[in-house]
Formats: sequence, structure tokens, C-alpha cells
Amino acid sequence: NAGVMQNPRHLVRRRGQEARLRCSPMKGHSHVYWYRQLPEEGLKFMVYLQKENIIDESGMPKERFSAEFPKEGPSILRIQQVVRGDSAAYFCASSPSLTGRREGYTFGSGTRLTVV
Amino acid sequence: AQTVTQSQPEMSVQEAETVTLSCTYDTSESDYYLFWYKQPPSRQMILVIRQEAYKQQNATENRFSVNFQKAAKSFSLKISDSQLGDAAMYFCAYVPMDSNYQLIWGAGTKLIIKP
Repeated sequence: NAGVMQNPRHLVRRRGQEARLRCSPMKGHSHVYWYRQLPEEGLKFMVYLQKENIIDESGMPKERFSAEFPKEGPSILRIQQVVRGDSAAYFCASSPSLTGRREGYTFGSGTRLTVV
Repeated sequence: AQTVTQSQPEMSVQEAETVTLSCTYDTSESDYYLFWYKQPPSRQMILVIRQEAYKQQNATENRFSVNFQKAAKSFSLKISDSQLGDAAMYFCAYVPMDSNYQLIWGAGTKLIIKP
């Protein structure tokens, strides 16, 4: 079991470009959660998706950010027209169901986005 | 609002000694889960230990144990026989049992192990 796979591990974008972050959940997991970690802080919830559905995007900025989890392929977190404030580590977690909150979610290694 | 507070930005301990990391939280829920995660320099977020609020017995995982005080809303992590590989950021996290799934995180404690 390869665990939760995130790529790229590091991503550098110039201001105004688009960033696409990918997350492949653990095998058998159909629930995906994205979190953002700013320097010296804990993680902040962004969005919760199931296959082909966005369940809760209450933690995601209304503009420039979007997420999807298609029937086939990884979940994608997309940030359009990036700004310096988007620089952070973005983590993906997955669970087989909502029991993840009891067992403790499995996290990927994160993508560190740097906007220059 | 539900919050998690880790009051120690940094802690250091001699190798083989015992260290305790503190965590307090604020919630009006009666049933919830608490977790400690470890984040080494590799950035991987690793689950260390978890506690269900309805269980009075403190959770234990090898050298890691918790002191869960529900009335005081306190959830400290004790690491016994500290090893160099324990050096990392440690995060306390909370999630209510019903209806919500968003983990609420503390700001973390950096643990330094002195050889």
C-alpha cells in the first residue's frame, strides 16, 4: 500500500501563474481532504471531497481556488493567479469513509508551494 | 469556537529522558477524538496516538502515552526514553465525533533531542 501520494513535492510559481497540486489517496479510500499549513502554524482545513463530489469547501478561499476529485485519477487542488500569500505547504489526507476521524486520517507528504 | 492550544513553541530533552508536551482545547462537545501527530523534517504528517473522549483510560503506544483530563480539557503527550528520531514538530488535533470531520490543529511544539 503506497499510502497517500502527493506531487509535486515542491512547486515554484511566479505571481499570476497557475498551480496544480495532485493527490492520489490510499487504495480503497474514497474520501479526500485538503489542508493548508502556513509557516509556524498548524494545518487549516480547506475542502472535503468524495468521488465526483465536493462535500464541503467552507475552508477554501472563494476566489482563485478550486478542487476536484474525478471518477478516475487523482484529486486536484488548483490555484489560479497565485499570489505570494499562497505560499504554504498543502497536505492531502484520505480515509475509507467518515471513520477517518476516529482512526486518524492518513496524510501525504505535502506539496510546498513557493510563489516568487 | 473550537480551538486547540499548544503553549510550548519549543521543548528540548536529553536523549533517553522523558518529556511531556502540553495541549489544551476548547469545545462544547461531549464526544470527540483527540490526536497527536508528528511532523519530522521530511514533512510527512504521522499519527502518533489517538484518544476517544468517551474512554477514561489513557491511550498508550509503546513509548508514547497521553494524560487525558476531560474536565480540564487537557491532552498532554508523554514521550519516554526519548530517541534522536523523535526530533520533530508535534501537533495536537481535535475532531468532534458527530457531524463534523474537520481536524482542528494546534500551532505545534518543536521537540529537540539532545544527544
